[in-house]
Amino acid sequence: EAGVAQSPRYKIIEKRQSVAFWCNPISGHATLYWYQQILGQGPKLLIQFQNNGVVDDSQLPKDRFSAERLKGVDSTLKIQPAKLEDSAVYLCASSFIMTGELFFGEGSRLTVL
Amino acid sequence: RKEVEQDPGPFNVPEGATVAFNCTYSNSASQSFFWYRQDCRKEPKLLMSVYSSGNEDGRFTAQLNRASQYISLLIRDSKLSDSATYLCVVNVNTGNQFYFGTGTSLTVIP
Repeated sequence: EAGVAQSPRYKIIEKRQSVAFWCNPISGHATLYWYQQILGQGPKLLIQFQNNGVVDDSQLPKDRFSAERLKGVDSTLKIQPAKLEDSAVYLCASSFIMTGELFFGEGSRLTVL
Repeated sequence: RKEVEQDPGPFNVPEGATVAFNCTYSNSASQSFFWYRQDCRKEPKLLMSVYSSGNEDGRFTAQLNRASQYISLLIRDSKLSDSATYLCVVNVNTGNQFYFGTGTSLTVIP
């Protein structure tokens, strides 16, 4: 079974530039999550989708971050404009049922200079 | 207050040692509990779920104390391959959010 796919794996940008990350969850997983993991910290939930609807985006910095999951499958997370403190690994995860195991992608490592 | 609190460590233990990690959670509505393992520069992966009655998987034992809102993970006979960060995870059904602790770093020394 194919796992959660994410791209790009690495991205280096300068502050105030924009960046987009893509995620393709495991087939059949209705719930999709984006997490931000800063070095030395645990993953922090940014946004959670159930199919193509947003369940929770309370911790998403909406002035600069946006995410969508238009067809209930793939998802894109965008940052515009980026700040130095956005340097982190952006992890996408999916689960089959609401309280099921989370399956993570390998993450997209962002460095903002 | 953080949803999940863990001692970040690091824990440096010799091979064969027994080590225990603790975690507390703040939301009494939490329903599901997990331990995830994260290797350096890798994604988190499920180690084990934690059940009210306690559960064991080989050298790993997880326990839950709902009254104290406390979760533990015990690793017996530590192996070099156990070196990783162990993340305590709590699911709150009301919003179906998964909250992660900061993780506890373990290094097993030969």
